[in-house]
Amino acid sequence: DGGITQSPKYLFRKEGQNVTLSCEQNLNHDAMYWYRQDPGQGLRLIYYSQIVNDFQKGDIAEGYSVSREKKESFPLTVTSAQKNPTAFYLCASTTYSGANVLTFGAGSRLTVL
Amino acid sequence: AQSVSQHNHHVILSEAASLELGCNYSYGGTVNLFWYVQYPGQHLQLLLKYFSGDPLVKGIKGFEAEFIKSKFSFNLRKPSVQWSDTAEYFCAVKWRSGGGADGLTFGKGTHLIIQP
Repeated sequence: DGGITQSPKYLFRKEGQNVTLSCEQNLNHDAMYWYRQDPGQGLRLIYYSQIVNDFQKGDIAEGYSVSREKKESFPLTVTSAQKNPTAFYLCASTTYSGANVLTFGAGSRLTVL
Repeated sequence: AQSVSQHNHHVILSEAASLELGCNYSYGGTVNLFWYVQYPGQHLQLLLKYFSGDPLVKGIKGFEAEFIKSKFSFNLRKPSVQWSDTAEYFCAVKWRSGGGADGLTFGKGTHLIIQP
């Protein structure tokens, strides 16, 4: 089955540690996205990538970094500079012909202790 | 900045009641409009979408939405809700003037609870 796989599903980290969330898709989609979901805040765009080796900041990129070395992979690193990292992180993808219809992964819940 | 507003953050209804969830977006030209749903423990999934043509669009599970251009609105409706409709609902907009694949702007969501 084609889809988006995010791992880990749950992650606990101490303050000051960097963590990397994995996102892999086998849909042959061109563009990939990272959103952050907080209760009552909806989804906010962190980073997106339209093609390999290129990515753009979204609305809340501070404290995060990404890479896009392969078309199917778009990992997100939550750095120690992110002031409030505890959240639910969603990865999504779409094709250029998909007219912005996003397919989402199941999400990763990060808790910083 | 362009924005999407959902009027109700929490809605509680009884089964068989009618549902309407409001969504308004800021002016910015031509738009693509979406409603996504997140059932408890499940992926966020597309409920319905509007790109052009008939402003009344039908989606999965009996949902429909109406695009009213003059009001910058895209309200979600269902004539008779079921307990299984309990979920979080998100309105999302893509302003076409933005170009490229720069993602969707989401509203803050509406948490819908259907009581048996």
